Amino acid sequence: AQKVTQAQTEISVVEKEDVTLDCVYETRDTTYYLFWYKQPPSGELVFLIRRNSFDEQNEISGRYSWNFQKSTSSFNFTITASQVVDSAVYFCALLPRGAQKLVFGQGTRLTINP
Amino acid sequence: NAGVMQNPRHLVRRRGQEARLRCSPMKGHSHVYWYRQLPEEGLKFMVYLQKENIIDESGMPKERFSAEFPKEGPSILRIQQVVRGDSAAYFCASAAMTENTGELFFGEGSRLTVL
Repeated sequence: AQKVTQAQTEISVVEKEDVTLDCVYETRDTTYYLFWYKQPPSGELVFLIRRNSFDEQNEISGRYSWNFQKSTSSFNFTITASQVVDSAVYFCALLPRGAQKLVFGQGTRLTINP
Repeated sequence: NAGVMQNPRHLVRRRGQEARLRCSPMKGHSHVYWYRQLPEEGLKFMVYLQKENIIDESGMPKERFSAEFPKEGPSILRIQQVVRGDSAAYFCASAAMTENTGELFFGEGSRLTVL
């Protein structure tokens, strides 16, 4: 069975703090993709990153970074020097290769306070 | 190049009425997916369609829900005799590739409220 767990339902930090959103996944497939999406208050889904299961290199994009560890089945997302505009619900998702369905976690609501 | 277009963005229906949600995929995309997001939850897969074919509808409720993607025109998700529990955001995504590598492009969603 495929499953994505985002244990943190809500996180609230003060602006400029660093924050890490956790994502743990379950799959029996050896090849799969992992994703992070951002859903701001306006409601749309914004694609942030896609990671292939064969590529365990960490990725950095500006203030965003992702730590993929196959050994612990985790794909955590860190925002450095958070800003109020980062306030949103963040979803982690899994797509086994050859499958057609993205499996989403429950989401983490991140609030950045000024 | 316009993105995935969904309409209406907001729809209000009374119990027992029908809801029709439309999705126009990105130009050149022939694969459409529908996902449902219940309040305070993640998105759940509903159905995957290609032009004129339903490929996977394993996430669709057995009754009252149907989807189509005709040769011409948008994909339509239809909910008959809506109930309060159908209130949710319905997202459409499209893809160009036969093999799904997750390069999905999501629309902005249609928010259905059932009174």
